[in-house]
Amino acid sequence: ETGVTQSPTHLIKTRGQQVTLRCSSQSGHNTVSWYQQALGQGPQFIFQYYREEENGRGNFPPRFSGLQFPNYSSELNVNALELDDSALYLCASSPGLAGGPEETQYFGPGTRLLVL
Amino acid sequence: AQSVTQLDSQVPVFEEAPVELRCNYSSSVSVYLFWYVQYPNQGLQLLLKYLSGSTLVKGINGFEAEFNKSQTSFHLRKPSVHISDTAEYFCAVRPSGAGSYQLTFGKGTKLSVIP
Repeated sequence: ETGVTQSPTHLIKTRGQQVTLRCSSQSGHNTVSWYQQALGQGPQFIFQYYREEENGRGNFPPRFSGLQFPNYSSELNVNALELDDSALYLCASSPGLAGGPEETQYFGPGTRLLVL
Repeated sequence: AQSVTQLDSQVPVFEEAPVELRCNYSSSVSVYLFWYVQYPNQGLQLLLKYLSGSTLVKGINGFEAEFNKSQTSFHLRKPSVHISDTAEYFCAVRPSGAGSYQLTFGKGTKLSVIP
């Protein structure tokens, strides 16, 4: 049990729609990262937020966007959904800004998105 | 940039037998190394991590891994597996002290423990 929750657990959308996925981090965790895990693949880094600002981004287009709120919750928004967006979306929270080697990430159980 | 190669996509092993899951990485900067486990329909759980110091790292559930800098490897081992170890295992790296938690994962190794 990592103390990180995600909602919903499953979601079905059609191509072209927009989706919002939610993550609730542990209290005091100022950093949240989002990953996309396609079927049969390892997770891929989408972006990271620290104290409500994006401070790192992977190789994902701008239609993937996020928000982080002061109450340690966050959102991943995906616009203009494509079939290839079907995946498990994982969020991970961390206490600081990766300054210390002991800092680690705690993953949530994920949201499985299916785009038809 | 970093990359991670997990050399086996699937590893079947009999219960109580030893197992080794192989991981090689490539990076132009120093990295921290991790192994995560993912049980069916669940998120990722940290098994162990190498940050510095002793190259043999012990983790949860009886797993250990050895960091080999010259071979850029970080293989995961367990001397005796249980049915409950059936899961997918991911090796990952991230730059050390870079101000980012960005992990680069391998494609995973599915461990199947046969009774």
